[in-house]
Amino acid sequence: DGGITQSPKYLFRKEGQNVTLSCEQNLNHDAMYWYRQDPGQGLRLIYYSQIVNDFQKGDIAEGYSVSREKKESFPLTVTSAQKNPTAFYLCASRQDRGPNQPQHFGDGTRLSIL
Amino acid sequence: RKEVEQDPGPFNVPEGATVAFNCTYSNSASQSFFWYRQDCRKEPKLLMSVYSSGNEDGRFTAQLNRASQYISLLIRDSKLSDSATYLCVVATGTASKLTFGTGTRLQVTL
Repeated sequence: DGGITQSPKYLFRKEGQNVTLSCEQNLNHDAMYWYRQDPGQGLRLIYYSQIVNDFQKGDIAEGYSVSREKKESFPLTVTSAQKNPTAFYLCASRQDRGPNQPQHFGDGTRLSIL
Repeated sequence: RKEVEQDPGPFNVPEGATVAFNCTYSNSASQSFFWYRQDCRKEPKLLMSVYSSGNEDGRFTAQLNRASQYISLLIRDSKLSDSATYLCVVATGTASKLTFGTGTRLQVTL
């Protein structure tokens, strides 16, 4: 069953702790993206990657880090430098065959501060 | 000015009604346009792409006006299951970076 899997569904972070959110896709998509959604707001781009071993900062990259060692995996680390991490985190992927290809989303991870 | 602007609503309509949402975007270099649907506490799901010539998918019709930089979504014969937030989404650049509107909430009632 093809799709994008995010884990965990819910995550709690203590002060000063780094946490890593997992995103795996078996769609053979080239590009992967991480977004953050706060209540009543639109999605904002954190990081994106168009190819293995390469990634770019989005609009709100401060306090986050990513890696793209495998095509199917794009984990996001929320570091202790991110002072307001409570949000809904969404991973997306896309087949890179031109601008008209839409992004498809995983079902998200809700991160809260303890 | 926001890059993508939508009326947040809510739009409360009875079942069977026709409802239209508009969205404006500021970047004239934007290349692709989409409507996504998001249910409460769920991920966005692609509803439809928006093409320059306009396109229809069942009860849903999307239009794009590049000159005026707006996109519209028309829903005919509304169903209770159409209740959701509708996100206007614009893609720009070779990486197809998406910019999301904050969404328009639709509530369809009996």
